[in-house]
Amino acid sequence: SQKIEQNSEALNIQEGKTATLTCNYTNYSPAYLQWYRQDPGRGPVFLLLIRENEKEKRKERLKVTFDTTLKQSLFHITASQPADSATYLCALDERTGFQKLVFGTGTRLLVSP
Amino acid sequence: KAGVTQTPRYLIKTRGQQVTLSCSPISGHRSVSWYQQTPGQGLQFLFEYFSETQRNKGNFPGRFSGRQFSNSRSEMNVSTLELGDSALYLCASSGQGAGTEAFFGQGTRLTVV
Repeated sequence: SQKIEQNSEALNIQEGKTATLTCNYTNYSPAYLQWYRQDPGRGPVFLLLIRENEKEKRKERLKVTFDTTLKQSLFHITASQPADSATYLCALDERTGFQKLVFGTGTRLLVSP
Repeated sequence: KAGVTQTPRYLIKTRGQQVTLSCSPISGHRSVSWYQQTPGQGLQFLFEYFSETQRNKGNFPGRFSGRQFSNSRSEMNVSTLELGDSALYLCASSGQGAGTEAFFGQGTRLTVV
């Protein structure tokens, strides 16, 4: 069966440390993988998109890796801040030609001062 | 540039009723997709419209339907509401569909009693 798994438990880290979130998938062939941030009661906000032929993408304090052999993406936030506390969602975009994202269950990140 | 606007923000309906939710995408975006978010199932794809045509539909019963107008605004309708339809309904717009970031609205919180 098809599955997208993210860290099931909440991730608690101290301010200034690097947060690493994982996204593992089974029985999908994504052409793209996206990461979103969602705050309570709000819609997801796009962070990064990485293509299947890219290994790594960076944007400011954010870095995402994509390993299609391991079927895994890692999402890093360096020098984390309390304002980074939110739920982070990975989303797969298969080669359908349509805008159809398949989301993981999300990882709740809590950054303590 | 104005973001994605969803109306209403909150809605309470009784079992058996029907409901219509509205979404205005970002100006110039032709792809509008709808998602249902619940604590148990996470974010699930409902359907996607592009230039007034439904291009893809998720695994939801026929009670869930939608349409898109010539100005790209979209509506989704749920008939014969069930308690399990209580959820946050999110609309997302994108410029070209697959392989591009999705811009989400704030969502409509539907409660069925």
